[in-house]
Amino acid sequence: GQQLNQSPQSMFIQEGEDVSMNCTSSSIFNTWLWYKQDPGEGPVLLIALYKAGELTSNGRLTAQFGITRKDSFLNISASIPSDVGIYFCAGQLIYGGSQGNLIFGKGTKLSVKP
Amino acid sequence: GAVVSQHPSRVICKSGTSVKIECRSLDFQATTMFWYRQFPKQSLMLMATSNEGSKATYEQGVEKDKFLINHASLTLSTLTVTSAHPEDSSFYICSAADPNEKLFFGSGTQLSVL
Repeated sequence: GQQLNQSPQSMFIQEGEDVSMNCTSSSIFNTWLWYKQDPGEGPVLLIALYKAGELTSNGRLTAQFGITRKDSFLNISASIPSDVGIYFCAGQLIYGGSQGNLIFGKGTKLSVKP
Repeated sequence: GAVVSQHPSRVICKSGTSVKIECRSLDFQATTMFWYRQFPKQSLMLMATSNEGSKATYEQGVEKDKFLINHASLTLSTLTVTSAHPEDSSFYICSAADPNEKLFFGSGTQLSVL
């Protein structure tokens, strides 16, 4: 089945630093999504990407849908303590039917030192 | 934005008992909902796709008689863990697709089976 390789697994950075994480896949996806999950909570959508090559920003977050449709990255600029959490990438094939579900990466745990 | 309510947020039960978890879309109708399981420090793994008015579609390796899913209305799906055992202890998360086919996640249910 499809798998997503997300890296790095964890990051421990200083407040104010920029962060970059990425996901790669052996399969083509139609949609790439980036989520943040706080402990004991469900994932919250940060950015959704729908077209190959698309570059989208949401505040200090920027994500891109790779041209090959097999990869995506998420950048966080000028990190702050509240950025702490686990970030998941997710790929979606075709919505509807048995292929409508998301395939998640294993997550990147971000720790920010004040 | 769209809200998905999941209840309860935490449940502790004795081995052999059944536990029901509810997932409600509060401001949109969802013909499709998804149930995930997440072990500590792991990613979300899709368990089943809940379809309103029809039988759920289970992922490979997920026991349909163990994890009963009922999607009786366009705003409610339930997951019942039957005859729970300690190995069923996990974080369960639901998601619902709105009419624009965007997914929104519930806040999760932490199940602990003693």
